[in-house]
Amino acid sequence: DTAVSQTPKYLVTQMGNDKSIKCEQNLGHDTMYWYKQDSKKFLKIMFSYNNKELIINETVPNRFSPKSPDKAHLNLHINSLELGDSAVYFCASSSRGTKEKLFFGSGTQLSVL
Amino acid sequence: GENVEQHPSTLSVQEGDSAVIKCTYSDSASNYFPWYKQELGKGPQLIIDIRSNVGEKKDQRIAVTLNKTAKHFSLHITETQPEDSAVYFCAASLRDLIFGKGTKLSVKP
Repeated sequence: DTAVSQTPKYLVTQMGNDKSIKCEQNLGHDTMYWYKQDSKKFLKIMFSYNNKELIINETVPNRFSPKSPDKAHLNLHINSLELGDSAVYFCASSSRGTKEKLFFGSGTQLSVL
Repeated sequence: GENVEQHPSTLSVQEGDSAVIKCTYSDSASNYFPWYKQELGKGPQLIIDIRSNVGEKKDQRIAVTLNKTAKHFSLHITETQPEDSAVYFCAASLRDLIFGKGTKLSVKP
């Protein structure tokens, strides 16, 4: 059973489009995250979210928005895609008691043409 | 905010040799220091971690050391094997994990 799963694995789209990436975790964790990994492998946190608090990295453009229908899901919506958005996006989750121990999904490689 | 520096960016060793990756952090209040391994096409996976009240931790062939005074910590892999080849990330945490820029380790058979 996959602990943190995200879809799609690959996403190729045109500039200006709107797209979503879905994430689900079956670990019973209460906190979920989105990370962006650029072409140089640098991992940068975008959002962390539990049912009480959304923390947004101030450098993330407001074209990016997380949506959480329930504790097990945290989807990422991106509006008006730009070339610079091309990267690998990772979803992750953790439990409140061990919040630092992150479990990552396998990533979504987004290519904006 | 926290800043984590990681060196080297690439490391090549012969199978059976040891590998050492070093990280420094800026915020003395950080209290948790994990290491993640990322294999090609996969997400990062936690391999070992250490808290600020511990100086060293070992798990089979991997070990992590922490020097709080100097604000640096290191990953040591002994008896390296080809399957150890991956990108390794250090991180430091006070609230959210801040990652280093990664070290690509290549173990040559």
